[in-house]
Amino acid sequence: DAKTTQPTSMDCAEGRAANLPCNHSTISGNEYVYWYRQIHSQGPQYIIHGLKNNETNEMASLIITEDRKSSTLILPHATLRDTAVYYCIVRGKTSYDKVIFGPGTSLSVIP
Amino acid sequence: DGGITQSPKYLFRKEGQNVTLSCEQNLNHDAMYWYRQDPGQGLRLIYYSQIVNDFQKGDIAEGYSVSREKKESFPLTVTSAQKNPTAFYLCASSPRDRAEYNEQFFGPGTRLTVL
Repeated sequence: DAKTTQPTSMDCAEGRAANLPCNHSTISGNEYVYWYRQIHSQGPQYIIHGLKNNETNEMASLIITEDRKSSTLILPHATLRDTAVYYCIVRGKTSYDKVIFGPGTSLSVIP
Repeated sequence: DGGITQSPKYLFRKEGQNVTLSCEQNLNHDAMYWYRQDPGQGLRLIYYSQIVNDFQKGDIAEGYSVSREKKESFPLTVTSAQKNPTAFYLCASSPRDRAEYNEQFFGPGTRLTVL
């Protein structure tokens, strides 16, 4: 599985967009980009995933660069409840692929 | 409701005792996973199972054991051989092979403290 690098921490003002970057320069052609988040002392929660096109759902948007070596998770209007650790992961589409979680980005949404 | 349950949420044990953490899912998922999380760190894979009666070691399997006798259950035993068992343990499941993608669903976790 490809590895990812993310900033250790970020702050965002409440109501503003939170843009969380992720580098995955060794991603292979059949690997997807997934984003999860973990609120303190809870299990991680799936947010969104993508292969090469930009994706949007009710929680967030995912922007993947054309060369697929990096991506950005966008929370359009951050709330205090979005304070969490955000993990960017790459993996193939079968469950035989192990998921490698790095330390993630700790996002603090500030009132 | 469909989901993954882990019990108990908090568990205390004396050093030298084996302890078993439960994980049950009613999502009809084939694959199940156990992760360990230490403070301020990401998740590390302990064991995973793709199908009933089959499982593989993850990156930090030493001192742990698992069984997969039923599709919905994947218990983890932390043995006395595990040198530093105090941690937050997370169980997850996923469909075995979906056509498009393969997200994991996580349980709420069990925080194990060895005294």
